[in-house]
Amino acid sequence: DTGVSQDPRHKITKRGQNVTFRCDPISEHNRLYWYRQTLGQGPEFLTYFQNEAQLEKSRLLSDRFSAERPKGSFSTLEIQRTEQGDSAMYLCASSPTVVTEAFFGQGTRLTVV
Amino acid sequence: GESVGLHLPTLSVQEGDNSIINCAYSNSASDYFIWYKQESGKGPQFIIDIRSNMDKRQGQRVTVLLNKTVKHLSLQIAATQPGDSAVYFCAEKETSGSRLTFGEGTQLTVNP
Repeated sequence: DTGVSQDPRHKITKRGQNVTFRCDPISEHNRLYWYRQTLGQGPEFLTYFQNEAQLEKSRLLSDRFSAERPKGSFSTLEIQRTEQGDSAMYLCASSPTVVTEAFFGQGTRLTVV
Repeated sequence: GESVGLHLPTLSVQEGDNSIINCAYSNSASDYFIWYKQESGKGPQFIIDIRSNMDKRQGQRVTVLLNKTVKHLSLQIAATQPGDSAVYFCAEKETSGSRLTFGEGTQLTVNP
C-alpha cells in the first residue's frame, strides 16, 4: 500500500494522559497536513509541513498540541493532558505540491474517557 | 469568517439515477476546489477537482460545475450506484495558501 498511513487506527485514553499519533505520507510528497474531524463535520485544518518545516498552524492547535516532522518524512502529532473535547478523528494528508489535491490517510480515531 | 457550506445535508436517490450535490462557498479568493468522498470510518477520498479558470470538468461518471459568479459548486454523479453511498464534502483553497476549508458534508444514500 503506497498511500498515506496512520497509526494507530484507534486510541482510547483516559483524560489527562498524553497520546501520540504517527503519519507516514506518500513517499514523494514533501507536503504534509494534519486535520481534525468531529462527527458530522468536515475536516478542520490543524497544521502544515513543507519537508521538515512547520509553516502554518491553526488557532485550533492549542499549546497542548505539538506536531513534528523531523526528517521531512513521517510526522507525529502529540496531545498532552488530553481532554474529552479532544475526542475526534485525526487525519493526515500529503501532497506533492501546494496546488494539487491532498491525499488523506484513514485517520486515527481518538476517544478520551 | 470565510466558509464553505452545503445546501442539503442528506440526499437519497434510486440506483441508476443521477445525483447532484451542491456547495456554496464564500471566499472569493478561493481558486481551487475539490470534491471528496468519505465512507464510514475512512479518510476522505479524492473524487475530482477544478480550478477557477474552468467552469466544468468531467471524470468517470462524475462532473463538477463551478459558477464563480454566485460562488457555487456542484458534483454530478451519473448512474448512481450503491457503492456511491457516502458523505461528500466540497473543499476550497487559495492557490497561495496551504489549507483546505471543508464544508459540512452531504450524506448520499443510494437505494437499490
